[in-house]
Parts: sequence; structure tokens; C-alpha cells
Amino acid sequence: GAVVSQHPSWVICKSGTSVKIECRSLDFQATTMFWYRQFPKQSLMLMATSNEGSKATYEQGVEKDKFLINHASLTLSTLTVTSAHPEDSSFYICSAPISGRAMDTQYFGPGTRLTVL
Amino acid sequence: ILNVEQSPQSLHVQEGDSTNFTCSFPSSNFYALHWYRWETAKSPEALFVMTLNGDEKKKGRISATLNTKEGYSYLYIKGSQPEDSATYLCAPYNTDKLIFGTGTRLQVFP
Repeated sequence: GAVVSQHPSWVICKSGTSVKIECRSLDFQATTMFWYRQFPKQSLMLMATSNEGSKATYEQGVEKDKFLINHASLTLSTLTVTSAHPEDSSFYICSAPISGRAMDTQYFGPGTRLTVL
Repeated sequence: ILNVEQSPQSLHVQEGDSTNFTCSFPSSNFYALHWYRWETAKSPEALFVMTLNGDEKKKGRISATLNTKEGYSYLYIKGSQPEDSATYLCAPYNTDKLIFGTGTRLQVFP
């Protein structure tokens, strides 16, 4: 099956620093990737849609200047949390469909636990 | 914000028991319903993508049904095994995105 990796699996940083999370499709090309965030006891919430070669589309309420997304190749999307604050501490996870469509089967990375001190 | 509800929140069963859980979602603007299994420290794994009312899908001991008119889906596990222990997520595709429920956490004891 299709494999998506995510790095790092966990990160601890100081308030005010930036953190980059990578999402890679290992055995297929991903024109579209999706970034989700999950707070404790809550559901996965879509943050943004990452499109290869074009700007990301952000969900309502997600600050695009704070959560920078770059999808520079067909196998890599990065999410950079800029000037991280404790309220950004969360679980971040990416997914990608082989078809490129959100309504089709998603292949998920294992997620990144971000803790901001 | 569309509301997707999964029940129960958690479930503890004995090995060999059969079990089922529910996903309720808005029936308007329905396009597809996804089920994923998420084991601790692993990636969520796709189980089913269902689109048709009355659809029933099966994968080994796991099966799912879909009622798009009333907005619910059932997931069944026959003869649960310890390796079935995971959180089961459902997600309807609606308004151009997947909307996830909070999941049902299943623990199967030997």
C-alpha cells in the first residue's frame, strides 16, 4: 500500500521559535496533501490543503502567516509553525490521496507531537 | 461546523466477542463516508470508502453498512481479536473536505 512518512515524530521547542514538519509520500506522487491538527479529546481538524506548485488553501480560522505550507515537489509538503506559542501545542498529521482528490482514500503519516514550552 | 458523532466513545470486549459501533453524520450534501483504523503510534489506515445508500463493504472480519438518507453508518467486527484494538474513525466527505468524528476506542482483552 501507499506509504506516507512524517518527520519529526515529536518536537519540543521554546515559545517564539519556528518548527518545520515534513510530510513525504514514499511510493507515489502526491499533487495534494492535507494537514490536520488534533487537540486532546477532539477530532482531526483540517487546517489546510497543500497543492504542489501553488499556494495552499487554508481553512477558516487558520492563520496562513503562522502556519506556512510549502509543497515544492510531488513527494514533499512542509508545515512550518512560525513563532510558536504554547497554544500551538498539538498533534499535527498529514495525509495524501493517490488520486489527488480529498474524497478518495487517504494515506496518513504517523503524525508529529508538538510541545511548545 | 458539521457534526459527526461516533458512539460509543470507548468499548472494552473480550476476545471472540463481536462488536459494532455507529457513525452519525448530516445526510445533506453527502458524497462519501470513510472509515479508518488508528492504532496507537501508527498511521491511520483506511478500511472503507462508501458512497451508495445501502452499501455494505467487508474486509476480513470487519464490515460496514451505510444509510445516506438517515445519515449513519455501522462498523461491525466479528470475533474480535486483540490486534483489533485501535481507535476507529469515521469521516464523511462534505463541503469539499473530510469531517472526522472523535472516534470509537476499542480494546479487546485476551
